[in-house]
Amino acid sequence: DQQVKQNSPSLSVQEGRISILNCDYTNSMFDYFLWYKKYPAEGPTFLISISSIKDKNEDGRFTVFLNKSAKHLSLHIVPSQPGDSAVYFCAAIAGANSKLTFGKGITLSVRP
Amino acid sequence: DSGVTQTPKHLITATGQRVTLRCSPRSGDLSVYWYQQSLDQGLQFLIQYYNGEERAKGNILERFSAQQFPDLHSELNLSSLELGDSALYFCASSVSEDASYEQYFGPGTRLTVT
Repeated sequence: DQQVKQNSPSLSVQEGRISILNCDYTNSMFDYFLWYKKYPAEGPTFLISISSIKDKNEDGRFTVFLNKSAKHLSLHIVPSQPGDSAVYFCAAIAGANSKLTFGKGITLSVRP
Repeated sequence: DSGVTQTPKHLITATGQRVTLRCSPRSGDLSVYWYQQSLDQGLQFLIQYYNGEERAKGNILERFSAQQFPDLHSELNLSSLELGDSALYFCASSVSEDASYEQYFGPGTRLTVT
């Protein structure tokens, strides 16, 4: 039973355009969401997070939107850069003493 | 460089064998997490230790065990290995026992069971 779903395995966008990476979840107890980015041969690195009490969090070129009623979140990257090409994992947690549940990841390719 | 080190980088072994993966967390971090990433799966949480004690358990098989030592490094022991155990194993560390805090991941150990 996959509680965090990233249904699109890959996304390709032109440099300078917006990248929108989507994530859906099924567990209504999730109250905190994170995005991690992973380059080949490296471990994932934290990118941005959002609490369920908010619907938007922004950090530079990265913005995460949360729609609790739809159990959906998205990561927007504007403008996209070739260095953003990586695998992006969506993760969620239900409470402070819980574990992180990750999606399968989306491979983003930004074309120069 | 996340500051988390994992050894070895690669490991090839036969079915039925036992291996030990090692992780050194970032300086000052008390939490260590272990994750498994198989071919078509996301990161699956295995187990968390905080300051030497087991804090949370995920989908960890009984054939797998882990521990965190007084110097805070951690080892993941995998025994009676099966072909399906072939995966990338990541260790992550964090300053907090709360898993929502930023976790710093090591580069992983790629295990191949033949």
